[in-house]
Amino acid sequence: GENVEQHPSTLSVQEGDSAVIKCTYSDSASNYFPWYKQELGKGPQLIIDIRSNVGEKKDQRIAVTLNKTAKHFSLHITETQPEDSAVYFCAAYRRSNYKLTFGKGTLLTVNP
Amino acid sequence: DAGVIQSPRHEVTEMGQEVTLRCKPISGHNSLFWYRQTMMRGLELLIYFNNNVPIDDSGMPEDRFSAKMPNASFSTLKIQPSEPRDSAVYFCASSPGLAVAPYEQYFGPGTRLTVT
Repeated sequence: GENVEQHPSTLSVQEGDSAVIKCTYSDSASNYFPWYKQELGKGPQLIIDIRSNVGEKKDQRIAVTLNKTAKHFSLHITETQPEDSAVYFCAAYRRSNYKLTFGKGTLLTVNP
Repeated sequence: DAGVIQSPRHEVTEMGQEVTLRCKPISGHNSLFWYRQTMMRGLELLIYFNNNVPIDDSGMPEDRFSAKMPNASFSTLKIQPSEPRDSAVYFCASSPGLAVAPYEQYFGPGTRLTVT
């Protein structure tokens, strides 16, 4: 089955700095890569996604990149703010079995 | 619009007791997923339904776990008998449907289960 590795497990940045979280996946049949943000005591919330036929996607301060050849994708957050502090999960979706496989998560702390 | 609703939010029970977790998906969504989250194993898919029919239950850890979806607006996850290692946060998620946008999953707030 699919295996998604996520790094780093924790990340601490100063407000205004950029944050980068990286993931790799194993199954070349995966074709959709969402990112979720989970705040304390809440369920994961979809914040951005990228399809396998796209290399990069941006939404305000958030961007995702995908390298299908290398099987890795990344989340970039610019101009970080304290409210960006949360656990971020990457995931890979395989159309053939409709399953999302999640990475283990990254605890991002933005220090004011 | 109301999101995915789960109840109870917290459940504390003794080993051996039956536990039932409940979920109401987003209205109009045809797919429903149950996940378990622990520090050690992260987010694991237990089972998912499409149009109220279980499609894949390969993630259900043991026969002690069972899930039902009697109609489009309600699902239950039952653990009988419960064990301390079942302690986790259980999430329900729904999506527009496997034929529409199966990858867009919307999560509920979760049920934190503690088995003593």
